[in-house]
Amino acid sequence: SQTIHQWPATLVQPVGSPLSLECTVEGTSNPNLYWYRQAAGRGLQLLFYSVGIGQISSEVPQNLSASRPQDRQFILSSKKLLLSDSGFYLCAWSPGQRNTIYFGEGSWLTVV
Amino acid sequence: GEDVEQSLFLSVREGDSSVINCTYTDSSSTYLYWYKQEPGAGLQLLTYIFSNMDMKQDQRLTVLLNKKDKHLSLRIADTQTGDSAIYFCAETSPSGYSTLTFGKGTMLLVSP
Repeated sequence: SQTIHQWPATLVQPVGSPLSLECTVEGTSNPNLYWYRQAAGRGLQLLFYSVGIGQISSEVPQNLSASRPQDRQFILSSKKLLLSDSGFYLCAWSPGQRNTIYFGEGSWLTVV
Repeated sequence: GEDVEQSLFLSVREGDSSVINCTYTDSSSTYLYWYKQEPGAGLQLLTYIFSNMDMKQDQRLTVLLNKKDKHLSLRIADTQTGDSAIYFCAETSPSGYSTLTFGKGTMLLVSP
């Protein structure tokens, strides 16, 4: 069966510090991968999605970036965090086009 | 444009039925989803309905779809305190990739 894991689960970082959140999917190949953010107010905002290695689409311009160095690995990064980057970050995957999306456990980021 | 609307809060007593409503705008959506998010956790897929269906039942869950009015509802029979969570409605986005557009979520509070 397929599983998705992301880490770290919680993170407290000072303003201006770098960020790296990692996500891996097991039990499937060539998944679509996603990073969502859930800020205060609970809405889900799609940040990035990827349909293959090295292919990243950005939905929202900001100081975050994403990379997909391997087929089942998706990394969310920032060189310098802002206070507004605080939130709950969710990695997700889907088997392919127009298929159900499955979420990881989420990572809480607090920028102080 | 894509927009999914939900009421923000619903309170019911244990044993009652809960009905969470959602409206969407993209008439070309092929699938519509309900996700559940418990406190501090990721989103868990509850159920989904294909756009050519009017109703889908899965144990205590009943999904009703009114395509004419672009209205989706989730009914939870015999609601339990463990059903307390945020429920998200989502529709497939019209882009060629499997992204979803989420509502802001309905917080369901079940009191004993």
